[in-house]
Amino acid sequence: AQTIHQWPVAEIKAVGSPLSLGCTIKGKSSPNLYWYWQATGGTLQQLFYSITVGQVESVVQLNLSASRPKDDQFILSTEKLLLSHSGFYLCAWSLGRASQNTLYFGAGTRLSVL
Amino acid sequence: GQQVKQSSPSLTVQEGGILILNCDYENDMFDYFAWYKKYPDNSPTLLISVRSNVDKREDGRFTVFLNKSGKHFSLHITASQPEDTAVYLCAAGGSGGSNYKLTFGKGTLLTVTP
Repeated sequence: AQTIHQWPVAEIKAVGSPLSLGCTIKGKSSPNLYWYWQATGGTLQQLFYSITVGQVESVVQLNLSASRPKDDQFILSTEKLLLSHSGFYLCAWSLGRASQNTLYFGAGTRLSVL
Repeated sequence: GQQVKQSSPSLTVQEGGILILNCDYENDMFDYFAWYKKYPDNSPTLLISVRSNVDKREDGRFTVFLNKSGKHFSLHITASQPEDTAVYLCAAGGSGGSNYKLTFGKGTLLTVTP
């Protein structure tokens, strides 16, 4: 069975500090991977997607970056957090395109930037 | 602008009733339509989806109706149960080009009262 694990569960960070969120998918070879973000009271927005190791495409510019260093790992990061980065971050995977197939989400990371 | 819109932020129905959740979209290129269900403190999971070559798909108590000319799709739930209480997110995607994006609506909080 496939499992998706996100870390950390929650973070409280200061404005201007760096951030690294991680996601690991087990039990599925070469999945498409995604980062989604939802501000409090906002809409779930796709930030990045990756269809293969080393390749990441940006969907929305939020002064964040993403990397896929291994087939089963997806990292979201920034060197300087903004207040507007607060929210709920979800990693997801799919077989085939998310625009046509089921998305399977991780449990998410709640980020508070103070 | 918001490409996928759910006009009702919340809806309450009595147990056993029928309810309809609505979603409107703007992009003519969308050809995949889905409803995700999200319990509090949990991630969204796919409830039901439909492709544009059909205008209806049924799965037990849940039916998706698609009106492409009206750029509208809806989720009908029959014999509603308290465990149906959740946030329902509609989503849409297109198959053209390098489209890997699934666009979500803001969600409708459904409450089913005993």
